[in-house]
Amino acid sequence: AQSVTQLDSQVPVFEEAPVELRCNYSSSVSVYLFWYVQYPNQGLQLLLKYLSGSTLVKGINGFEAEFNKSQTSFHLRKPSVHISDTAEYFCAVSVSSGSARQLTFGSGTQLTVLP
Amino acid sequence: NAGVTQTPKFQVLKTGQSMTLQCAQDMNHEYMSWYRQDPGMGLRLIHYSVGAGITDQGEVPNGYNVSRSTTEDFPLRLLSAAPSQTSVYFCASSYSGDSASYGYTFGSGTRLTVV
Repeated sequence: AQSVTQLDSQVPVFEEAPVELRCNYSSSVSVYLFWYVQYPNQGLQLLLKYLSGSTLVKGINGFEAEFNKSQTSFHLRKPSVHISDTAEYFCAVSVSSGSARQLTFGSGTQLTVLP
Repeated sequence: NAGVTQTPKFQVLKTGQSMTLQCAQDMNHEYMSWYRQDPGMGLRLIHYSVGAGITDQGEVPNGYNVSRSTTEDFPLRLLSAAPSQTSVYFCASSYSGDSASYGYTFGSGTRLTVV
């Protein structure tokens, strides 16, 4: 079974500052990794995904994440945040083979961008 | 351009009542799933389906039933509602092939309160 740990439940940051949201995973098999964003009272939207290849993955809205297999991490970064980035962010993992593609989610990180 | 449609958006039930949460997708996705979202716990998988006529349990299946008679629809039934089922429910769908395009599309959620 897979598990995901998001190390920070809340991250406050000032506008235009950089931010890193941390995610560690545990799995005995190869995985795919994802970051989703949830704006208030909305569903989840895919930010970026790592399937294979380059360990640096770029997503929407200027976010990027780096897959580190040795540290089993997939941290999300943005060099300069905006007020509109205030949302909850979820890291998720899935096995990379088989027909049952269920995602296992972390508990989420609330990013609050302060003016 | 409908994607994943969930109905209703809000529902209040009395303890012991039954109801069905509806989920429909128009993307011909083979894989569909139901999650519940509770504060501080991320999203937890209730049931999933890899195709019409095939369903399986997730992490928290007790008190819920599903069926998949068509590719498009995946309803979630609460048999006898309990206050512990107060939550936000999300339906998601995905291709089960072509890993390059793999990713979940989420509905906008159903907020359920059981009193």
